[in-house]
Amino acid sequence: EDKVVQSPLSLVVHEGDTVTLNCSYEVTNFRSLLWYKQEKKAPTFLFMLTSSGIEKKSGRLSSILDKKELFSILNITATQTGDSAVYLCAAESNSGYALNFGKGTSLLVTP
Amino acid sequence: KAGVTQTPRYLIKTRGQQVTLSCSPISGHRSVSWYQQTPGQGLQFLFEYFSETQRNKGNFPGRFSGRQFSNSRSEMNVSTLELGDSALYLCASSLAGGVGNTIYFGEGSWLTVV
Repeated sequence: EDKVVQSPLSLVVHEGDTVTLNCSYEVTNFRSLLWYKQEKKAPTFLFMLTSSGIEKKSGRLSSILDKKELFSILNITATQTGDSAVYLCAAESNSGYALNFGKGTSLLVTP
Repeated sequence: KAGVTQTPRYLIKTRGQQVTLSCSPISGHRSVSWYQQTPGQGLQFLFEYFSETQRNKGNFPGRFSGRQFSNSRSEMNVSTLELGDSALYLCASSLAGGVGNTIYFGEGSWLTVV
């Protein structure tokens, strides 16, 4: 059975800290891994990763995929209170037209 | 460009009733998928539609159904509501669904069953 596991489940850091969120996956016919940020509303798209070892970056956020070890990490540097959210990781397979989500990491950034 | 629009945003229903939720995808998007989000289970895939055809269905009972119209708008229906159906129902759209197509989510419909 396909599964996606995120860790840690929750995290509290101080503004300015750097955080690393983890996502491991076991998905048949894996195609891509996606990261979303969810505040109290719609999940918003952050990254789609399809190739191993190629870092994607957007401002203070970056992510990388390791297809050999079946995991991805999301890094946030110089965290701000506005980064407080649930970060969701999802794996997509070549067939199925569905995303398999992890349970999310709840990040709280304190001033 | 308008995002994914879901209605209603909040609703309360009684056990045994049925509910219909609506989703309008981003203009030009033809794939619509539905997810259920609960604190315990996280986001779980319900079904996906493209050009009025259901291409995939998640592991939910037959009480959960959906459809897509020719203008790509979609509805999902839950019959004989149970307390455990209380959840945030998220609709997502993409150009064609599947590999490589970024999926955009609506803000969801909060369903409470009492």
